[in-house]
Amino acid sequence: GENVEQHPSTLSVQEGDSAVIKCTYSDSASNYFPWYKQELGKRPQLIIDIRSNVGEKKDQRIAVTLNKTAKHFSLHITETQPEDSAVYFCAASSDKIIFGKGTRLHILP
Amino acid sequence: DAGVIQSPRHEVTEMGQEVTLRCKPISGHNSLFWYRQTMMRGLELLIYFNNNVPIDDSGMPEDRFSAKMPNASFSTLKIQPSEPRDSAVYFCASSFGGRAGRNEQFFGPGTRLTVL
Repeated sequence: GENVEQHPSTLSVQEGDSAVIKCTYSDSASNYFPWYKQELGKRPQLIIDIRSNVGEKKDQRIAVTLNKTAKHFSLHITETQPEDSAVYFCAASSDKIIFGKGTRLHILP
Repeated sequence: DAGVIQSPRHEVTEMGQEVTLRCKPISGHNSLFWYRQTMMRGLELLIYFNNNVPIDDSGMPEDRFSAKMPNASFSTLKIQPSEPRDSAVYFCASSFGGRAGRNEQFFGPGTRLTVL
C-alpha cells in the first residue's frame, strides 16, 4: 500500500542550530504535503504545508522543500528555540492522507 | 468558534464493553476524519467523511469498529466489543473543501481510551 517514510525518528539539536526532517512518499499522485506539530499531551496542529505546484515555501523560521521527481520533501527549522521541542509529522495526500511516523525533536539548552 | 469538540476526553472500560466516541466538527467544515494514535503505530487514519458520506474506511482495523455521521455537526466512532489493544488516543479532525484532506485539518483534543 501507499506509504510515507519519515526520518529521523528522534533528533536533538543545540538551541540556535538548525533542524531538518525528511520524508519520502510512494504515491506519485500525492499533491498536498502538510506538516503538523504535536506538543506533549496536545493535539497535532498544522505549521506549514506545500502543494505540488511549488518547490519551496517559507514562513519565518520554518521552510519546506518538495522534490516531486524524487518523491521527497523536507522540513527545515532555523534558529531553533526551546518551544520548538515537539513531535513533528509529515503527511502526503492524494485520494487519502497518509502520515509519517513522526520525529521527536529535542532542543538542547 | 470552539474548534473541534470531542467527548469523552478520557474513557476507561473493561474488555468486551462497547465504547462510543463522539465528535462535533467546526461549523462549516464538510470533511471529517477519525484517527488513532499509538506509540507503536503513530497516527493512523481510520475513516473519513465528506459531506456526511463515508469516503474511505480502509483504515478501520476490523468489524468491531464502526463510524457514523448522521448530520454535518456530529459523528461517532464505536468499538464493540472493545479489546485491550484498542487502547490509544483517538482524534477527530475536520476541514473545509475537497476530499482526502487537501486542506488544513483542525484536530480535536482527542479521547484517551484505556481498555482493561
